[in-house]
Amino acid sequence: DIQMTQSPSSLSASVGDRVTITCQASQDISNYLNWYQQKPGKAPKLLIYDASNLETGVPSRFSGSGSGTDFTFTISSLQPEDIATYYCQQYDNLPSTFGQGTKLEIK
Amino acid sequence: EVQLVESGGGLVKPGGSLRLSCAASGFTFSSYSMNWVRQAPGKGLEWVSSISSSSSYIYYADSVKGRFTISRDNAKNSLYLQMNSLRAEDTAVYYCARAKSGSYVLFDYWGQGTLVTVSS
Repeated sequence: DIQMTQSPSSLSASVGDRVTITCQASQDISNYLNWYQQKPGKAPKLLIYDASNLETGVPSRFSGSGSGTDFTFTISSLQPEDIATYYCQQYDNLPSTFGQGTKLEIK
Repeated sequence: EVQLVESGGGLVKPGGSLRLSCAASGFTFSSYSMNWVRQAPGKGLEWVSSISSSSSYIYYADSVKGRFTISRDNAKNSLYLQMNSLRAEDTAVYYCARAKSGSYVLFDYWGQGTLVTVSS
């Protein structure tokens, strides 16, 4: 199975800050990498697919980049409603696997 | 509006069985692959199973293979997960998730989840 390693596991930032989360795959997954946001008690929501494509309706402050084994997720200007846990997911090979999550808090 | 509504969760003893259902609406159900994804309490996400639009292709995580069966009824716009030989480690919220067109496991819509608790 492909292992997905996210960092950091938790992050505290201020409103307006630029926030970056990284995800590393244990092998080359091309650009088959997605990012999800999960707010407490809610289902995950797709934000970015295929490493850098913004899902319809998602604010443009969210972005993603990378290919191969190293990927980055960025919030350009943190908003209070962005408080959530963020997960990366590879779907190059089955089983599809997720990173362990990054819990984002407001400082 | 796409809606996915899971049902069927509950408390079951180890070794028992449970059948989850997911009622879909707001899209052409028969055109999309569907999935089950679970999340143990306080833990991360785990893909469980996928089924293609016509049920031709079915995949399982190793952790549930041989115990869980995914199925769908396109006439009823419904997805199912039959869970047998349940273990404590199967305790989780189970989400029904639609796969984005052209993919099996790129999840663009999720249900609200149904909690399965396996305990004596």
